[in-house]
Amino acid sequence: SQTIHQWPATLVQPVGSPLSLECTVEGTSNPNLYWYRQAAGRGLQLLFYSVGIGQISSEVPQNLSASRPQDRQFILSSKKLLLSDSGFYLCAWSLATNEKLFFGSGTQLSVL
Amino acid sequence: QKEVEQNSGPLSVPEGAIASLNCTYSDRGSQSFFWYRQYSGKSPELIMSIYSNSDKEDGRFTAQLNKASQYVSLLIRDSQPSDSATYLCALDSGYSTLTFGKGTMLLVSP
Repeated sequence: SQTIHQWPATLVQPVGSPLSLECTVEGTSNPNLYWYRQAAGRGLQLLFYSVGIGQISSEVPQNLSASRPQDRQFILSSKKLLLSDSGFYLCAWSLATNEKLFFGSGTQLSVL
Repeated sequence: QKEVEQNSGPLSVPEGAIASLNCTYSDRGSQSFFWYRQYSGKSPELIMSIYSNSDKEDGRFTAQLNKASQYVSLLIRDSQPSDSATYLCALDSGYSTLTFGKGTMLLVSP
């Protein structure tokens, strides 16, 4: 069966510091991978998605970036965090575009 | 921009009652619909998917889809306090991934 791992679970970072969140999927090949953010009291906002190694599409202009160095690995990064980057970050995978998503356990990021 | 609308709630029901959660959407071209449950501080988990105009039942959950009226609903029978969570409606956007509503908070009182 497929599983998705996301870490860390919580993270507190000062403004201006870098960020790296990692997500890996097991039990499937060539999944679609996604990064979402959920700010307090708001809906899920799609940040990036990838349909293959090295293929990244950005949905929202921001100071974040994503990379997919391996088939089942998806990384979210920032060089300098802003206060507005605080939120609940969720990695997800699907077998195909516009199909059901399966989410990782999430990372609660607080930028202070 | 395709939209998915949900009443934010909270929807309060007593234990054992039927909870009815509704979702309307703007794009008539959407074909796939999903309900997710999200406990506070946790990630969303898939409850059901529905693709055709019909009722789909899975245990205590029933999803209903009406494409002509552009709404999808989720019924939870015999509601339990453990069902208290936020329920997210999602549908295919025909673009890159699913479009989510902001969710309805359900509170089931013992």
